[in-house]
Amino acid sequence: KAGVTQTPRYLIKTRGQQVTLSCSPISGHRSVSWYQQTPGQGLQFLFEYFSETQRNKGNFPGRFSGRQFSNSRSEMNVSTLELGDSALYLCASSFIAGSDNEQFFGPGTRLTVL
Amino acid sequence: AQSVTQLDSHVSVSEGTPVLLRCNYSSSYSPSLFWYVQHPNKGLQLLLKYTSAATLVKGINGFEAEFKKSETSFHLTKPSAHMSDAAEYFCVVSDRIQGAQKLVFGQGTRLTINP
Repeated sequence: KAGVTQTPRYLIKTRGQQVTLSCSPISGHRSVSWYQQTPGQGLQFLFEYFSETQRNKGNFPGRFSGRQFSNSRSEMNVSTLELGDSALYLCASSFIAGSDNEQFFGPGTRLTVL
Repeated sequence: AQSVTQLDSHVSVSEGTPVLLRCNYSSSYSPSLFWYVQHPNKGLQLLLKYTSAATLVKGINGFEAEFKKSETSFHLTKPSAHMSDAAEYFCVVSDRIQGAQKLVFGQGTRLTINP
């Protein structure tokens, strides 16, 4: 079974631009979560989607948004990029939403904002 | 809100010696706890999880962790370190908000293995 895939793997953008990252979960998984990883703040939860609905959201500004499609694939969008948005963005999928379900992580998309 | 504190940002051991990575948690109810490992340029991989069954949890690659409620700890151990164990390790607690899962990560412990 293929793992979680994220595209693109690397991105370079400039301040003020917007970016869209994509995540394809493991086949059959319906829950997708997004995390931001930076050296200073560590790993922080962005949001979780299940059956095309956002179930949970972390403490990030409204510039960060996401969505999930009927095939469970998910995208996250960051508008008006800032230097501080440079990070590794990780996507994780699980079979169902819930606190004890193992999440499987993708390799991440490394975003650099210049 | 749930939280975890990893007591060491960096641990260095010699190959073949025991590994101890320390984690304390804060939770207002019986928590679900995890240890994840991240190798360079790779995604996170689950090592083991505790979900209120046995307090001693065995994971992959010879790792295990013991849940101690009285000490609010969930330390990760391995009897004998291998060079391939060099990586970043994260202690994680699951926070429940209206039935939705949110993983709260510790700051990570970088494990270095000396030959």
